[in-house]
Order: sequence, then C-alpha cells, then structure tokens
Amino acid sequence: KNQVEQSPQSLIILEGKNCTLQCNYTVSPFSNLRWYKQDTGRGPVSLTIMTFSENTKSNGRYTATLDADTKQSSLHITASQLSDSASYICVVSAKTNAGNNRKLIWGLGTSLAVNP
Amino acid sequence: EPEVTQTPSHQVTQMGQEVILRCVPISNHLYFYWYRQILGQKVEFLVSFYNNEISEKSEIFDDQFSVERPDGSNFTLKIRSTKLEDSAMYFCASSEGTQEYEQYFGPGTRLTVT
Repeated sequence: KNQVEQSPQSLIILEGKNCTLQCNYTVSPFSNLRWYKQDTGRGPVSLTIMTFSENTKSNGRYTATLDADTKQSSLHITASQLSDSASYICVVSAKTNAGNNRKLIWGLGTSLAVNP
Repeated sequence: EPEVTQTPSHQVTQMGQEVILRCVPISNHLYFYWYRQILGQKVEFLVSFYNNEISEKSEIFDDQFSVERPDGSNFTLKIRSTKLEDSAMYFCASSEGTQEYEQYFGPGTRLTVT
C-alpha cells in the first residue's frame, strides 16, 4: 500500500536554530517527492520537488534530501525564523496506469513551532 | 504574482443541501485539481481535470460530487446532499502540466455541514 510517514509529529525549536524533518515512504512506482509548507488554515505551498535522480535540492534556507534506495527524505531548515512555524508535509507522486497522470500520496505533516 | 483564488472562504450549510465551491485557477494552467483536508487529517486527493473532462478521481469522489469548468476561468466543485462528514477544508489547485510540474494551491474553502 502506498504510504508516506513523517517524523516527528511535532517539533518546537528556538528562533535561529536548525532542524531536520524526516519522511519515509513506500510508494511505487515513484515519480517525484515534494515538500510543502502549510500555514494554519491556508493552502499548501511547494518548497521543493525532487525526482529519482536528485539527491539534494535547496530553496533558500530549506534543503531537501532524497535517498531513493532507502525511500527516505529529509527537510533541513537553517537559521529558523518565527515565520517558519507551520506544518511541513512530505508528498510523494506515484505514477498511475492512466497515461501521464500522477497520484499524490500525502503525509500527515510535521507541525513546527519556532519560539522566540 | 498569479495565484489560485477560491470562494467562499467559509461555507456553512445544512445536512442534505447542495453546495458549490468555486475556484479560479492560474490563467495559463491546464490542469486543475480538488483536494480536501478533514481537520487534523491528511490532505486527500479528490479529482483532477484536464481538457474539460475528469482525468482521474479517487474513491472519495463518488456520485455525490461533480466538477465543472463553466467558462474560461472558473472551476467548480459541487457537493450534493451534504453529510456531516463532508465538513472539511477544500483546496483547489492548478498546474501547467503533470509529472514534475508544481501544483499551486488556493487558500481553501472551509465547509461546515450542520
């Protein structure tokens, strides 16, 4: 069964500190892996999209890694800011039988709180 | 910067009523999606739409649901005979293509069924 599991469920850090969020998946056939940031009551916003051949991808203070062999990904946040407080969701795209269609398998997310 | 917009932001309806949730995707995008997120749960895919027809739908998207692109800009989700368990945030998204293309999400409509 296609699944995406994230850890930790929640995390509290002090402003300026770094943190790393984890994502494990059992999705096949794999197409790509995405990290989204979702502020409370808002729609998800894409941070990174990584394909099978990409090991790491950065977007400002966000760096995502992907190990397609172990089916693990991480999102590292550097020098956290108060505005980083949000839910971070790992989403794996699976190829479907319908031509070029892809199906997004969503994780539950890690709720990050950055405190002053 | 172009963005996906959704209306209303909050809809309250009585059980058994029909609701229409509206979305305006980014203008040059060709693929449109509806998702829902029940409070505290994962985002769930409902349906994708391309070239004026449904390209894929989930098990959730049964006969109670329908989608339409009534004109060149709007994309709607109709929920007939609403149930209490339909209460959720409904997100619309659009993208230029499939595969590795990014999906841009709207701010969501919070549907409350009483």
